Amino acid sequence: GAGVSQTPSNKVTEKGKYVELRCDPISGHTALYWYRQSLGQGPEFLIYFQGTGAADDSGLPNDRFFAVRPEGSVSTLKIQRTERGDSAVYLCASSPGAHNEQFFGPGTRLTVL
Amino acid sequence: QQQVKQSPQSLIVQKGGISIINCAYENTAFDYFPWYQQFPGKGPALLIAIRPDVSEKKEGRFTISFNKSAKQFSLHIMDSQPGDSATYFCAASTDKLIFGTGTRLQVFP
Repeated sequence: GAGVSQTPSNKVTEKGKYVELRCDPISGHTALYWYRQSLGQGPEFLIYFQGTGAADDSGLPNDRFFAVRPEGSVSTLKIQRTERGDSAVYLCASSPGAHNEQFFGPGTRLTVL
Repeated sequence: QQQVKQSPQSLIVQKGGISIINCAYENTAFDYFPWYQQFPGKGPALLIAIRPDVSEKKEGRFTISFNKSAKQFSLHIMDSQPGDSATYFCAASTDKLIFGTGTRLQVFP
């Protein structure tokens, strides 16, 4: 079956711009996670949805970052007033439920010039 | 408390050898310990995982050893192959994953 998909695969933007990153989870998976991976590092947790609601957003670095999952399937990570330090690979993972295996998408590489 | 410490940072193994990567954690609330394999430009792929009620899990050439009292777990790759060359991450979870810093494995023919 289809895995987790993320679009775009690459995004180049200028400092101060707004970006949206999209995640399509595996069909039927109720839990969805966003992580951020900087070069040479392990992924770092950003936010976790169970259904439509954000169950844990403790990893969002500041209020420029926001994520939604309005229908409990597709999720969008939104970054306002991008900064060069936001450059990283943004990974999405989905799971059949909490405390289960998480399956990752290929990521979106964000570059802020 | 939330950290997962991983070692070594890099590992070079000859084809057919055993690769061993170690991780340690502090938070005793963690109840799920997966290992992920990541190739350049790709997302992490789940390799094998264990829960703390067992001390060992084997899947093919990959084995996790888990020591609950020491709060340590390790990945053993038997008969390492050049195709195993990748970065490996351990992780620990209650719901969100806390990742180690990664081990870059190179297997030479």
